[in-house]
Amino acid sequence: AQSVSQHNHHVILSEAASLELGCNYSYGGTVNLFWYVQYPGQHLQLLLKYFSGDPLVKGIKGFEAEFIKSKFSFNLRKPSVQWSDTAEYFCAVLRGRQGGKLIFGQGTELSVKP
Amino acid sequence: DAGVIQSPRHEVTEMGQEVTLRCKPISGHNSLFWYRQTMMRGLELLIYFNNNVPIDDSGMPEDRFSAKMPNASFSTLKIQPSEPRDSAVYFCASSTTSGNTQYFGPGTRLTVL
Repeated sequence: AQSVSQHNHHVILSEAASLELGCNYSYGGTVNLFWYVQYPGQHLQLLLKYFSGDPLVKGIKGFEAEFIKSKFSFNLRKPSVQWSDTAEYFCAVLRGRQGGKLIFGQGTELSVKP
Repeated sequence: DAGVIQSPRHEVTEMGQEVTLRCKPISGHNSLFWYRQTMMRGLELLIYFNNNVPIDDSGMPEDRFSAKMPNASFSTLKIQPSEPRDSAVYFCASSTTSGNTQYFGPGTRLTVL
């Protein structure tokens, strides 16, 4: 079945550690890719998105993601995490000709220890 | 901009009761989406509208669920009758076109006892 897969369910890091969260999707053809963040008790907020062009995209709060088409991946990175990055992170895929149907990964919970 | 507005923020009801969730999209957005979030199933798209017309309702779990969008600034998601397994957080999102970035509301946390 076509899907979005996030490799890690729960990641625990210390402050200043580097972060990489994996995301793979199984759709062929044109896709638009997103990372959303959900802070505890809050709604989803957009971190960054990729539609076309430079496969390395930069988002808010020092996050970036790299689209590797050959690997069907869109991994999220941050060189140095902070305690305030503690949240759940969702990768999502919008198929280019499928209208508005965003397909979400199962989410990765990030806990940053001060 | 007020963002996507949802009400109520929390709803606790008893099994068998009717539940109505409300959403006001961002002004100027012509696409509206209803999602459900649970621990077991994660985030699922239930239904989405373009220009007030339902486009894809394949995610609606069963006939107990219905959604309407009578105008560009208001949508409802109704569950009748509600069941304990409907307990979840329901998010509404909107975008300018069906292919663009979706902006999420704060969600309604529904608990069915």
